[in-house]
Amino acid sequence: QVNLLQSGAALVKPGASVKLSCKASGYTFTDYYIHWVKQSHGKSLEWIGYINPNSGYTNYNEKFKSKATLTVDKSTNTAYMELSRLTSEDSATYYCTREGGGYWGQGVMVTVSS
Amino acid sequence: DIQMTQSPSSMSVSLGDTVTITCRASQDVGIYVNWFQQKPGKSPRRMIYRATNLADGVPSRFSGSRSGSDYSLTISSLESEDVADYHCLQYDEYWTFGGGTKLELK
Repeated sequence: QVNLLQSGAALVKPGASVKLSCKASGYTFTDYYIHWVKQSHGKSLEWIGYINPNSGYTNYNEKFKSKATLTVDKSTNTAYMELSRLTSEDSATYYCTREGGGYWGQGVMVTVSS
Repeated sequence: DIQMTQSPSSMSVSLGDTVTITCRASQDVGIYVNWFQQKPGKSPRRMIYRATNLADGVPSRFSGSRSGSDYSLTISSLESEDVADYHCLQYDEYWTFGGGTKLELK
């Protein structure tokens, strides 16, 4: 069965970076894009961007272009999102989801605090 | 950028009600609209895909429809397990989510 397993919660200091992981199983990793989504405090969902695991091609929401960097490791079927220069505005739950939104990771809460 | 205007933002409902939530797209997105249910502390669950198709395992009281640029999710005979947040998503051009609708019991 398809599963997207995300890394655990992160507490990071302002100005630092954090790299989140999303390990896929149960399907051919390179067949489907992986999207990342932000949800601040149970509010609405925001699309961050997607990556094509086969080619590494990425596309970002303009709002997150200087904030997020998406990568993959095909050898481990894992997608990554690095968030840089963190501020309190980046405190949120981040989800990875497969193309179409049929499968989601469990979400990872990132807290930015000194 | 495509905007998805979702309404209402919240709704007070009773068990057995028929509930309709709507998203209006700012430009043509064709059939490329999905609907998601989200319960507190949980990941979104896809309920409807391509505007009108019921996702696997979703009860038949859920349905999706389209009228021009308006997309609707209807829940017939609301049950307690349906009380949740609902989000629409357009995926015709990148992704855009609606603002969400919170269903609360009266």
